[in-house]
Amino acid sequence: ILNVEQSPQSLHVQEGDSTNFTCSFPSSNFYALHWYRWETAKSPEALFVMTLNGDEKKKGRISATLNTKEGYSYLYIKGSQPEDSATYLCAFGNDYKLSFGAGTTVTVRA
Amino acid sequence: DAMVIQNPRYQVTQFGKPVTLSCSQTLNHNVMYWYQQKSSQAPKLLFHYYDKDFNNEADTPDNFQSRRPNTSFCFLDIRSPGLGDAAMYLCATSRGQGAYSPLHFGNGTRLTVT
Repeated sequence: ILNVEQSPQSLHVQEGDSTNFTCSFPSSNFYALHWYRWETAKSPEALFVMTLNGDEKKKGRISATLNTKEGYSYLYIKGSQPEDSATYLCAFGNDYKLSFGAGTTVTVRA
Repeated sequence: DAMVIQNPRYQVTQFGKPVTLSCSQTLNHNVMYWYQQKSSQAPKLLFHYYDKDFNNEADTPDNFQSRRPNTSFCFLDIRSPGLGDAAMYLCATSRGQGAYSPLHFGNGTRLTVT
């Protein structure tokens, strides 16, 4: 069983504020790190697939960094908006399989 | 729009009564996955198909079976549901097998066992 940990489990952020949260994963046998956004009543949606140490990806106000040597990735939300409220899942990929974390649930308060 | 569709959205079954969940895709992806997510836990891979090749996870109970009659459809059969099988079941697809391909998910089926 591969241990993929996300913290915090949940967070509340004021509209307009920026926030970030963490995904930690095994530092050995690394192939890729995925981030997904899962809004209530919708399907999880892929945000990023990251493969190289030092990778930084950006999509609008959301960005992610990757450190494969120490086994962590950060997801950043700049200027949070109510539509950013969702559960953010990370998944560690080795060979064919993705192992997910339990997610960080973000609630943006207007 | 190409997509992954799961039916039904909510399923209620009785303890021990077989139930089938379905998943279809219009993406023409060759890999299809079934994940189980219990409340506030990480989604757990049950099995996946690479084309017709079935790959079962070692810790998936025998109670869970799957069928993929063609590229577009995949079914999850729970032969004798127990109370512990109540969960969200997510179907996903990817273009290739491997960690590099993003997953495309359906909306999930929430299973209740009474």
